[in-house]
Amino acid sequence: SAVISQKPSRDICQRGTSLTIQCQVDSQVTMMFWYRQQPGQSLTLIATANQGSEATYESGFVIDKFPISRPNLTFSTLTVSNMSPEDSSIYLCSVGVSGGTGELFFGEGSRLTVL
Amino acid sequence: TQLLEQSPQFLSIQEGENLTVYCNSSSVFSSLQWYRQEPGEGPVLLVTVVTGGEVKKLKRLTFQFGDARKDSSLHITAAQPGDTGLYLCAGLGTASKLTFGTGTRLQVTL
Repeated sequence: SAVISQKPSRDICQRGTSLTIQCQVDSQVTMMFWYRQQPGQSLTLIATANQGSEATYESGFVIDKFPISRPNLTFSTLTVSNMSPEDSSIYLCSVGVSGGTGELFFGEGSRLTVL
Repeated sequence: TQLLEQSPQFLSIQEGENLTVYCNSSSVFSSLQWYRQEPGEGPVLLVTVVTGGEVKKLKRLTFQFGDARKDSSLHITAAQPGDTGLYLCAGLGTASKLTFGTGTRLQVTL
């Protein structure tokens, strides 16, 4: 298993500003992902954070809006840029279990409210 | 696009009752997982099923993978308030992509 810490756990932000969420894992992991969970909804994959190269974004998500860094195998950041109320969501960092099963461990999430 | 539909979307029951949550798709998955998420926390993996027809038990929870690996069910026996949460199925499909289901919110009251 992996222990994943996210910061901040929650924040209230003003429209037009940007916020960076940090994700720290207690061990080196190959696969790291960022998900969004809108209120009362399921999880949507934003991107795969690749160590040493640009993140791989899913349809509907772009680098200018959600820049991601992955400087090493234990850390990643997700920035939500030029926020609007529609960006109010829980943002979750997750890491994949080795072995190709697709199983994930999640951080506790960062609840973002945009006013 | 591979979709996973869960039913029911919301379930409110009393302690001691039994319930079943369904996860259905028209797509085949190489494996299927069930997660539970409690308020303020990330989802936690409960089980992974891999083989068509597979049944796994975790205390009062029974998970089944459909024979064709397109659907799954979660049965809870004698539900307890601690079972309250959002239950999510997730299927591993093409290109090793994990698709999450629409979610079932369970509330168990005393």
